[in-house]
Amino acid sequence: RKEVEQDPGPFNVPEGATVAFNCTYSNSASQSFFWYRQDCRKEPKLLMSVYSSGNEDGRFTAQLNRASQYISLLIRDSKLSDSATYLCVVNEGNQGGKLIFGQGTELSVKP
Amino acid sequence: DTEVTQTPKHLVMGMTNKKSLKCEQHMGHRAMYWYKQKAKKPPELMFVYSYEKLSINESVPSRFSPECPNSSLLNLHLHALQPEDSALYLCASSQFSGSTDTQYFGPGTRLTVL
Repeated sequence: RKEVEQDPGPFNVPEGATVAFNCTYSNSASQSFFWYRQDCRKEPKLLMSVYSSGNEDGRFTAQLNRASQYISLLIRDSKLSDSATYLCVVNEGNQGGKLIFGQGTELSVKP
Repeated sequence: DTEVTQTPKHLVMGMTNKKSLKCEQHMGHRAMYWYKQKAKKPPELMFVYSYEKLSINESVPSRFSPECPNSSLLNLHLHALQPEDSALYLCASSQFSGSTDTQYFGPGTRLTVL
């Protein structure tokens, strides 16, 4: 079983659609959770940290369910500029800063 | 400001060349990282420096040699690379190398080995 698993994608959606990404992690002792966004041939950029209480930033909402070891990202009213690969990232907390990356889910928003 | 800079942006080298990648941050971060990323794959950790000391080496071949001259700078020295080492090399930094510290990535160096 992979340490961090994401929906394989790609997701092709029209502008204005709501899209949800799912991610599961295998280590129940994991400490912190993130969604990064990576545009083609660019570096990963932090989109959101994810907390058990859930957090929202404009059109983006992230949720963490520690009992189910599940992380989600919801994008509402998707824009063309949201097209990117979304990486689910976990810090297991006992490996000196090592991040565990999911394989990424590619999103393509079409006009 | 969460900026990490990397030079050069692109590098083409032969298998017998020696070159270096450079990374700099001025956020006062005490942890710095090197990652390698192949196309359509997530980044893979290579090295972690914490307080200018190497704390993690993910069994990286010795043709890659990291160096941390001071708390703001991180180098990756390359020698006798193979074509399969062609990839995007990303540097990142975080305040500390702890369990909740957010890592910020530089723009990367796209390396081609001929």
